[in-house]
Amino acid sequence: QVTLKESGPGILQPSQTLSLTCTFSGFSLSTYGMGVGWIRQPSGKGLEWLANIWWDDDKYYNPSLKNRLTISKDTSNNQAFLKITNVDTADTATYYCARTIAAISFAYWGQGTLVTVSS
Amino acid sequence: DVVMTQTPVSLSVSLGGQTSISCRSSQSLVHSDGNTYLYWYLQKPGQSPQLLIYKVSNRFSGVPDRFSGSGSGTDFTLKISRVEPEDLGVYYCYQGTHYPYTFGAGTKLELK
Repeated sequence: QVTLKESGPGILQPSQTLSLTCTFSGFSLSTYGMGVGWIRQPSGKGLEWLANIWWDDDKYYNPSLKNRLTISKDTSNNQAFLKITNVDTADTATYYCARTIAAISFAYWGQGTLVTVSS
Repeated sequence: DVVMTQTPVSLSVSLGGQTSISCRSSQSLVHSDGNTYLYWYLQKPGQSPQLLIYKVSNRFSGVPDRFSGSGSGTDFTLKISRVEPEDLGVYYCYQGTHYPYTFGAGTKLELK
């Protein structure tokens, strides 16, 4: 059974660094073709793809966030991570991680973690 | 970036009825490997999105055959037949062909 669960700080202040963790089970990020992506959704709005990391440590980012993103993984502990530097109120959103394998993008999603940026 | 334009923004449908959602991309979604990475997701109220259709027309595991996807190039459609109450929510198309990956703005399906 595939499960993913996001965790984060809940609330942080502008200019801080947001660190998110995706803890998953039921698959391995060392399996050929496997990937994990991060997607966010401001309250009442649509979905925005942020980044993907693949089994071979290939990484892709959404350039709209202007080099503020860093995605990484810990294969041994079945975790993926996302850091967003220099956050501001526009980064307030629910952040999801989701699994991709081969051509089946985001087949499984976590429940999401709400992040609020406020002074 | 590839812009994904979904129409309509919202839909009212009767239970048991049929409806369709259009998704148009600003450039062809045919990848250099020959595949078209167009997906459809449903986000029910208060829930995470769930995958319905992958690569234009393939139903994901457990998705009822009431859902069907079609299209090619830049023009895609999701059809829902025999609408049931659990089909209500926001539908998103998504392209995984060109980085950065992009979602449509969503289509809200409501009961008439």
